[in-house]
Amino acid sequence: RKEVEQDPGPFNVPEGATVAFNCTYSNSASQSFFWYRQDCRKEPKLLMSVYSSGNEDGRFTAQLNRASQYISLLIRDSKLSDSATYLCVVPREGFQKLVFGTGTRLLVSP
Amino acid sequence: EPEVTQTPSHQVTQMGQEVILRCVPISNHLYFYWYRQILGQKVEFLVSFYNNEISEKSEIFDDQFSVERPDGSNFTLKIRSTKLEDSAMYFCASSVGQRLEAFFGQGTRLTVV
Repeated sequence: RKEVEQDPGPFNVPEGATVAFNCTYSNSASQSFFWYRQDCRKEPKLLMSVYSSGNEDGRFTAQLNRASQYISLLIRDSKLSDSATYLCVVPREGFQKLVFGTGTRLLVSP
Repeated sequence: EPEVTQTPSHQVTQMGQEVILRCVPISNHLYFYWYRQILGQKVEFLVSFYNNEISEKSEIFDDQFSVERPDGSNFTLKIRSTKLEDSAMYFCASSVGQRLEAFFGQGTRLTVV
């Protein structure tokens, strides 16, 4: 299994839809997890941090399933501005580095 | 809101030339990083820096690369003799703690011709 794995998409959804992405990770000892958003040719921007079972911020919900070693990101009521690539990021335990997934591309259409 | 700043935003250099990419991390952060992203590929770790020394580096970070924190605010990445394959977006990042969120600068697009 890859260290961090994501479905690259793209996910094409209409405005107002609910969409969910999954990310699997290989190290069962991982303690923290992040979702970043990256617009084309821009820097990754932190969207959500997950340290326990999950986190919610407005339309965005992240859930952690330690038994199956995956984290999910749910976006409700999609907006056109949500179109971006969503990066799953896991710090490598014992090391000072973040491991990035390849990202999942979301396209929200009118 | 504090942010990581990077300069220049875009640099074009000839193969074999030296480049220095500059970053000003967030002021109370202790961990500093360089990542790069080749166009169309994922973000890759290069190096982390803590307590004025390299704490970890990837296999990409060979002898051509070096980092420095010359004063209390700047954090630089030097590439001694650039190759065509060094063309990428280079991101600087910083974080308060080891497992905590990292914040990224807007990146320097390096083009080696």
